[in-house]
Amino acid sequence: GQNIDQPTEMTATEGAIVQINCTYQTSGFNGLFWYQQHAGEAPTFLSYNVLDGLEEKGRFSSFLSRSKGYSYLLLKELQMKDSASYLCAVMDSNYQLIWGAGTKLIIKP
Amino acid sequence: DTAVSQTPKYLVTQMGNDKSIKCEQNLGHDTMYWYKQDSKKFLKIMFSYNNKELIINETVPNRFSPKSPDKAHLNLHINSLELGDSAVYFCASSQDLDWSGGLNTGELFFGEGSRLTVL
Repeated sequence: GQNIDQPTEMTATEGAIVQINCTYQTSGFNGLFWYQQHAGEAPTFLSYNVLDGLEEKGRFSSFLSRSKGYSYLLLKELQMKDSASYLCAVMDSNYQLIWGAGTKLIIKP
Repeated sequence: DTAVSQTPKYLVTQMGNDKSIKCEQNLGHDTMYWYKQDSKKFLKIMFSYNNKELIINETVPNRFSPKSPDKAHLNLHINSLELGDSAVYFCASSQDLDWSGGLNTGELFFGEGSRLTVL
């Protein structure tokens, strides 16, 4: 079967750095996405990785290792507004998105 | 200008009723989707649809039916509502992946969600 694993919940301090991991087992691979979802709102796109390595976009970076079936989302200089769920999703060989359950990130002052 | 809009945002109804949720996108995208997000926050694909093909998640009961009058609209009709149908339903759209060298990643643009409560 296909599955995406990520921690259910993480807590971090304002101003700090946090890394949210995602491991996946899918039928084929056509890219990995990270989405942010604030409570009661729709998911919004953060990043897309299809090649190994690190993609940096402001305070957020996303890393991919296809051989390990592993990705992480790195959030720097955490702000209170970063409190949200972070969803990892992989596009399989049929271009269908397989979603993780999301990691709820709690930021404390 | 809302890119993907869905209505209603909140819907409360009785078991056994039939209801519809409408979705419209003004992004010119080729593909639209319906997702269900339950209390455990899993996003589950229900349908994806473009001009060429309707893809149905086989775990979706046939009480759920998508209706697409045109490329910019994908409505969700639900018959004989059950308690377990209570969830947030998200509409989304994406551009078909462009393998001719474009930068399109096929990212999804979501509507704001429709919270359905079945009593």
